[in-house]
Amino acid sequence: KNEVEQSPQNLTAQEGEFITINCSYSVGISALHWLQQHPGGGIVSLFMLSSGKKKHGRLIATINIQEKHSSLHITASHPRDSAVYICAVIGDMRFGAGTRLTVKP
Amino acid sequence: NAGVTQTPKFQVLKTGQSMTLQCAQDMNHNSMYWYRQDPGMGLRLIYYSASEGTTDKGEVPNGYNVSRLNKREFSLRLESAAPSQTSVYFCASSKQDVTGQSSGANVLTFGAGSRLTVL
Repeated sequence: KNEVEQSPQNLTAQEGEFITINCSYSVGISALHWLQQHPGGGIVSLFMLSSGKKKHGRLIATINIQEKHSSLHITASHPRDSAVYICAVIGDMRFGAGTRLTVKP
Repeated sequence: NAGVTQTPKFQVLKTGQSMTLQCAQDMNHNSMYWYRQDPGMGLRLIYYSASEGTTDKGEVPNGYNVSRLNKREFSLRLESAAPSQTSVYFCASSKQDVTGQSSGANVLTFGAGSRLTVL
């Protein structure tokens, strides 16, 4: 069993929909990363958070350390948001398998 | 604005051959990492270097060696490649070691990846 579990594995949405991707972990952490991997393979860091909520444009990330759970939300989704989203726990450097998001026009 | 540069981008090897993946960063980061990414398994840490002069094993170090040549460069060597090492390899760096306390300095910057096929 992976110590970092993401759901769903695959997600298809229509443009404009509100998206939620979930990440649950079983290890103790000090912080968590959300990463975005583009169809071409490049990986960029979206957020690093250790408590509460962070917002960047249409992306919002929340974390509940006590419940060992984090969510990534995308408001007003757009086809350019299509990518694989990966959560990773700091400290133990464990990664989720990723959520493949496809946003259709 | 290079960030993290990996070479080569693609490589095909025969079983038993050796090769070195090169990684360089120009952000004056202290920590560097090598990951492999396999379908359905997510990224897994092979080795990391928290600072110049130090290296440590990650989750899947067997079959690999690393060298932190200087602050900028961190190479990954496969001495005798095996088909199980067919993967996409990513180098990353951060200002501070992500295996320690979290801070804004832990944000990871990734290279573009190197696709390795071992026949």
